Amino acid sequence: DTGVSQDPRHKITKRGQNVTFRCDPISEHNRLYWYRQTLGQGPEFLTYFQNEAQLEKSRLLSDRFSAERPKGSFSTLEIQRTEQGDSAMYLCASSLRRKQETQYFGPGTRLLVL
Amino acid sequence: GDSVTQMEGPVTLSEEAFLTINCTYTATGYPSLFWYVQYPGEGLQLLLKATKADDKGSNKGFEATYRKETTSFHLEKGSVQVSDSAVYFCALRGSYSGGYQKVTFGTGTKLQVIP
Repeated sequence: DTGVSQDPRHKITKRGQNVTFRCDPISEHNRLYWYRQTLGQGPEFLTYFQNEAQLEKSRLLSDRFSAERPKGSFSTLEIQRTEQGDSAMYLCASSLRRKQETQYFGPGTRLLVL
Repeated sequence: GDSVTQMEGPVTLSEEAFLTINCTYTATGYPSLFWYVQYPGEGLQLLLKATKADDKGSNKGFEATYRKETTSFHLEKGSVQVSDSAVYFCALRGSYSGGYQKVTFGTGTKLQVIP
């Protein structure tokens, strides 16, 4: 069990640029989640996949955000035309689909938009 | 909707002191409750969990008991160490939405343990 991994760990970009983050879940986990965490706050849910299907999206996920999980394994989160308000830690988590599931988190990608 | 309220930090304790971090929740039905810990520069790690009333979760000397009558899940440790310095998040997994049982986090409580 290698855990959830995320890449990159840090990203600095200029306002208006596009950025893409990758998440590799624990290999047998069929559920994958993206969260956003701002300073001094707990994680806020963005979206969730079961296998390759995106089943739920938060209202926090504006049209500039898109997430994919093309083969039901790794996932990408893209932010287009970044804004300073997008600066945050983006966390990925994965779990097995079962009644008492527990989510396991990756180390996160810290985004700074200048 | 579901919500989690944690005591505000930071909490500063001397090594070997007793720790309590309060957590109360609001949810319909029978949520599962969790404590996650976030060490500096790292992601969240599951510390302990409890899935039904009166269950006690425990790990690494930390304990929390699911109290349905007081809707609480307070985190305790008898003797903290410097290495316990981190941010602690209380969370619940509650109501279903789109087939997904939503996880709601508190705002976190920063613990600093001094030698």
